[in-house]
Amino acid sequence: GAVVSQHPSRVICKSGTSVKIECRSLDFQATTMFWYRQFPKQSLMLMATSNEGSKATYEQGVEKDKFLINHASLTLSTLTVTSAHPEDSSFYICSGTGAYNEQFFGPGTRLTVL
Amino acid sequence: AQKITQTQPGMFVQEKEAVTLDCTYDTSDPSYGLFWYKQPSSGEMIFLIYQGSYDQQNATEGRYSLNFQKARKSANLVISASQLGDSAMYFCAMREGGSGNTGKLIFGQGTTLQVKP
Repeated sequence: GAVVSQHPSRVICKSGTSVKIECRSLDFQATTMFWYRQFPKQSLMLMATSNEGSKATYEQGVEKDKFLINHASLTLSTLTVTSAHPEDSSFYICSGTGAYNEQFFGPGTRLTVL
Repeated sequence: AQKITQTQPGMFVQEKEAVTLDCTYDTSDPSYGLFWYKQPSSGEMIFLIYQGSYDQQNATEGRYSLNFQKARKSANLVISASQLGDSAMYFCAMREGGSGNTGKLIFGQGTTLQVKP
């Protein structure tokens, strides 16, 4: 299957700082990427749909000014958690849509805000 | 309203035995797809099996099979001959079809499976 990478895999930051997470499709072009958030022992919750060259579509309850998403190319989408707080600590997973609508998931980024 | 429901937070199974993980869904869209993913403690999402709403036969992939009962809106995952490496969290997910479909997946709550030696 196709490969999606995420960087960094783990990040620890201080409260009030911003953190950028990159999601790359390595061997396919993803016109659409999705960002999910997962708390321990819980399900994946869709945060936003990211389309190349256009603004992201956020799910209800997700603050677009706090979770900035940029999808500048067909292989790269970034999620920036601005002014992070401890409650933003979570596992963030991206996925890219393949040519036949398959979903290829990245390995995830574990964010810890102190 | 919950679109994907997994009612078993945790399950145990003896090694080499079969286990069924339940999943029910709710949609009014005639075109949809159902997925099962495995998530080990590392966090990666591993695709297991897919069933399309128009597929006539139940999907099978090696030791995984999907018991698709369309009228009951259920898509249970059956794992045969369980192995210790099957211990993980399992998610059922649905993608609705139709025009404007973005391909996004809606996930169930997950079931933690533990395989006993």
